Amino acid sequence: QKEVEQNSGPLSVPEGAIASLNCTYSDRGSQSFFWYRQYSGKSPELIMFIYSNGDKEDGRFTAQLNKASQYVSLLIRDSQPSDSATYLCAVNMRTNQAGTALIFGKGTTLSVSS
Amino acid sequence: DAGVIQSPRHEVTEMGQEVTLRCKPISGHNSLFWYRQTMMRGLELLIYFNNNVPIDDSGMPEDRFSAKMPNASFSTLKIQPSEPRDSAVYFCAGAIGTRLLDTQYFGPGTRLTVL
Repeated sequence: QKEVEQNSGPLSVPEGAIASLNCTYSDRGSQSFFWYRQYSGKSPELIMFIYSNGDKEDGRFTAQLNKASQYVSLLIRDSQPSDSATYLCAVNMRTNQAGTALIFGKGTTLSVSS
Repeated sequence: DAGVIQSPRHEVTEMGQEVTLRCKPISGHNSLFWYRQTMMRGLELLIYFNNNVPIDDSGMPEDRFSAKMPNASFSTLKIQPSEPRDSAVYFCAGAIGTRLLDTQYFGPGTRLTVL
């Protein structure tokens, strides 16, 4: 069973705080992991991806990966009201012998209050 | 670059009617993915193609759903007959390939309402 689990939220943080979003996945063989942001009524847009254990930083965003624990997280530093959106964790999984595709979690809704 | 193009953006139809959703991927993207998004089930993978060949259609919910990719620049997702439970946002996404680090880029989606 190919599953990606996220807390649905909402996660509420004040402006300037750190928001922490978490994700677990079922396929131990998965190698690449993606975070997408989706504003209401819009399509998902890529924030960043990670494939090595440890941390990867991009501006205010840090992705963390622990393959042994099958756990991915996204930290947003200095949260802004414009960060209010649904954050989707996606894992690239082999769906059959012929190919791989992104399997998405249901997303965590983040609300940043000013 | 125009990005992934989907049409129509909104579709309202009555139960039993045939619905055809269209997608034009970014030039050079050899893989194309169809997803469906609902509040209850989130973003579900329906089917994907690589070099116009269907790779995995195990996510297609029923035989009422079918998808084609006749060439590298066009794909369709057809529902016949449509039912109210098919109401959702349908996204098309493209990627350079189906390798592990190939990022998917989403189109704007088609919001389907079946009455």
